[in-house]
Amino acid sequence: DGGITQSPKYLFRKEGQNVTLSCEQNLNHDAMYWYRQDPGQGLRLIYYSQIVNDFQKGDIAEGYSVSREKKESFPLTVTSAQKNPTAFYLCASSTGHPVLAGEDNEQFFGPGTRLTVL
Amino acid sequence: QKEVEQDPGPLSVPEGAIVSLNCTYSNSAFQYFMWYRQYSRKGPELLMYTYSSGNKEDGRFTAQVDKSSKYISLFIRDSQPSDSATYLCAMSADQGAQKLVFGQGTRLTINP
Repeated sequence: DGGITQSPKYLFRKEGQNVTLSCEQNLNHDAMYWYRQDPGQGLRLIYYSQIVNDFQKGDIAEGYSVSREKKESFPLTVTSAQKNPTAFYLCASSTGHPVLAGEDNEQFFGPGTRLTVL
Repeated sequence: QKEVEQDPGPLSVPEGAIVSLNCTYSNSAFQYFMWYRQYSRKGPELLMYTYSSGNKEDGRFTAQVDKSSKYISLFIRDSQPSDSATYLCAMSADQGAQKLVFGQGTRLTINP
């Protein structure tokens, strides 16, 4: 089955610790994304990557870091500098190609990781 | 002011009702418009994808885009309890539709 997997499903972190969230896709997509979802605020873009070894900051990148060493993988590290890390984290991927007339360029989402800081 | 505004609800309607969900936006460069459905504790899934102004229908779902008013809508006909979820609108200005801007999401409950 093709899709996006995220692990772990639930993660607990003590204050001052860094944690890494895993995201893997087997859709052969070039582009991958990390979003954060808080109650009542929808999804906000943290980082995105259009190609291996390249990534760009989204709207709320402070306190986060990413790497894109392989096409299939886009791990997110939540550092101790992130002041309010408790949230639901969603990874997504898409072909990343310009949209052609009549075609969709859908972002496919993983099941999410719920991070709680104790 | 947020770039995309969506009434967070919650919205509760009886089974079989017609549901109308709406978003307004301020960025006139947006040209790709999407509706995602998200069940509790799950990732969002794409429901409808529309380019520019106009209507698009898929079964019980109809998406409308009015770029002149900067307003998009999703209509659900013959609503079912299985439609109970959070509905998120999303928009993009870039041709790859990569940088999506999401609304806050509307939590919808269909009562049997």
